[in-house]
Amino acid sequence: GESVGLHLPTLSVQEGDNSIINCAYSNSASDYFIWYKQESGKGPQFIIDIRSNMDKRQGQRVTVLLNKTVKHLSLQIAATQPGDSAVYFCAEKMNRDDKIIFGKGTRLHILP
Amino acid sequence: EPEVTQTPSHQVTQMGQEVILRCVPISNHLYFYWYRQILGQKVEFLVSFYNNEISEKSEIFDDQFSVERPDGSNFTLKIRSTKLEDSAMYFCASSRQPDTQYFGPGTRLTVL
Repeated sequence: GESVGLHLPTLSVQEGDNSIINCAYSNSASDYFIWYKQESGKGPQFIIDIRSNMDKRQGQRVTVLLNKTVKHLSLQIAATQPGDSAVYFCAEKMNRDDKIIFGKGTRLHILP
Repeated sequence: EPEVTQTPSHQVTQMGQEVILRCVPISNHLYFYWYRQILGQKVEFLVSFYNNEISEKSEIFDDQFSVERPDGSNFTLKIRSTKLEDSAMYFCASSRQPDTQYFGPGTRLTVL
């Protein structure tokens, strides 16, 4: 069935270090993957996306990696800052659907 | 940078009452969505709206729910007779193409 899951519910990283948040998905038919950041009391904020015909995409301090062989998605955040503390959701979508399917989320703590 | 806005930020209502949640999508976007997030759970898709009609809806979006775009800027979600289990954060989202969806800050609905 459709599901997007995250390996770790909580991740603590020292400020300045790099962080990697992982996600497993089960729907091999998904065409599009997105990472969202959600700060307390706010809506999901788009970070970066990647289509299924790519395996890597870079943004500002963030990189998303897609491994379709093992159905794995990861978000790398370089040189983490206190403002990176939030819950991060991976999400997936098929081209034929409008809906985005969200995973459960990983809480990222940036330690001073 | 244009943002999706939502009002009110918090709505408290009695069970059985009707509520209308309001959203102003990003101005040049054509696709509109409602999602909800029950406390501590995943963000769940409710409905998508394009070209003045519902294009996709989930099982959650039953006859108690309706959406409307009453004018060129607003997009509303109505719950006719609220139940306790309707208590959640409700997020509006919009997109220019049916892929990257941008979310508003949410309305917290509390049903007593």
